[in-house]
Amino acid sequence: QKEVEQNSGPLSVPEGAIASLNCTYSDRGSQSFFWYRQYSGKSPELIMFIYSNGDKEDGRFTAQLNKASQYVSLLIRDSQPSDSATYLCAVESNNNDMRFGAGTRLTVKP
Amino acid sequence: EAGVVQSPRYKIIEKKQPVAFWCNPISGHNTLYWYLQNLGQGPELLIRYENEEAVDDSQLPKDRFSAERLKGVDSTLKIQPAELGDSAVYLCASSFRSGQSHEQYFGPGTRLTVT
Repeated sequence: QKEVEQNSGPLSVPEGAIASLNCTYSDRGSQSFFWYRQYSGKSPELIMFIYSNGDKEDGRFTAQLNKASQYVSLLIRDSQPSDSATYLCAVESNNNDMRFGAGTRLTVKP
Repeated sequence: EAGVVQSPRYKIIEKKQPVAFWCNPISGHNTLYWYLQNLGQGPELLIRYENEEAVDDSQLPKDRFSAERLKGVDSTLKIQPAELGDSAVYLCASSFRSGQSHEQYFGPGTRLTVT
């Protein structure tokens, strides 16, 4: 079992729709959770982080964390073609080890 | 504020040659990370520094890879000798660890091609 699992996609949504990206992790002691956006040929860009159970909103982005289910998600509202990228979920354990998922490729169609 | 700086951006070498990558973290960031990213995969940690101390190098192939972070600022990652399988993007990231706050920010990466 991979430590951080994401659906590789591609996930395709129409412009203006909500994109929902999911991530599960295996280390129950994980404390910190991050979402990165990575455009093709570019490096990962931090877009959201969440440390507590529940929802965290930042503009069109909402991160949701459920530690009991070992599940973290990212919602993108009013999706735009410029949101088309690979989204990486990253999980940091108690000993500060950061593990990344393989990423979900999102395509937003005009 | 300047981000993480890496050089070179691209490097092509023949196998068995040495290569070095340089990273300058965001000013004030005490933690520096080197990652390797293969196509279609997430970054994989090679080594993490807290100031000048390497606190996690369990994933660093020590027979050919080495790293240093003199004075707790800039860092260099070296491969000697390079193998074909080392072709990848090498990413440097930095963070300021304070309490629960420790978001990592990545540099542009160095794309290494070993022929």
